[in-house]
Amino acid sequence: EAQVTQNPRYLITVTGKKLTVTCSQNMNHEYMSWYRQDPGLGLRQIYYSMNVEVTDKGDVPEGYKVSRKEKRNFPLILESPSPNQTSLYFCASSLSRRTDTQYFGPGTRLTVL
Amino acid sequence: GQNIDQPTEMTATEGAIVQINCTYQTSGFNGLFWYQQHAGEAPTFLSYNVLDGLEEKGRFSSFLSRSKGYSYLLLKELQMKDSASYLCAVRAVNTGFQKLVFGTGTRLLVSP
Repeated sequence: EAQVTQNPRYLITVTGKKLTVTCSQNMNHEYMSWYRQDPGLGLRQIYYSMNVEVTDKGDVPEGYKVSRKEKRNFPLILESPSPNQTSLYFCASSLSRRTDTQYFGPGTRLTVL
Repeated sequence: GQNIDQPTEMTATEGAIVQINCTYQTSGFNGLFWYQQHAGEAPTFLSYNVLDGLEEKGRFSSFLSRSKGYSYLLLKELQMKDSASYLCAVRAVNTGFQKLVFGTGTRLLVSP
């Protein structure tokens, strides 16, 4: 089944404790992206990747890092999480940068205390 | 930069027709998407417009006017399961790469 998976789905952590949210797609998509969704602000893009070893900042990259060492995986790293990073995070992928459809993962609800 | 406006909330009755509007201001416009998102779930793709006009897909249709920076999503024969948020998203081409900017979404409540 074609899908985007994220882990963990739910995470409660404390300020300053490094964490990684994994994202994997099995559709051989080139383009992958991370969004955060907050009430009243909608989905905002954090980082995106055009292909292996090609990443760029989205609209809200501060406090986040990403890597794209393999085509299928695009982990999101929070080196020192803070409470303002409490949010719902979605990973998405699409075949190429000009593909119409982005496929979203199920989301990761992160709480930073 | 980009600016996308949608109504925050709409209500409608089962079996009715509802139109959800989206206006946008962006440089480098390269297409407009509509996504559906049920509470607590991932957004799912509904439609895509890059040229002016109407795209129809079953009960859902989407319209685009690039000169007016305006789109709408039309939902016909509403069903209870259509209660969800509807996200308008604009693709803009910056430095040759794809960027997708989302509006804050319109929450649609369908009542019996």
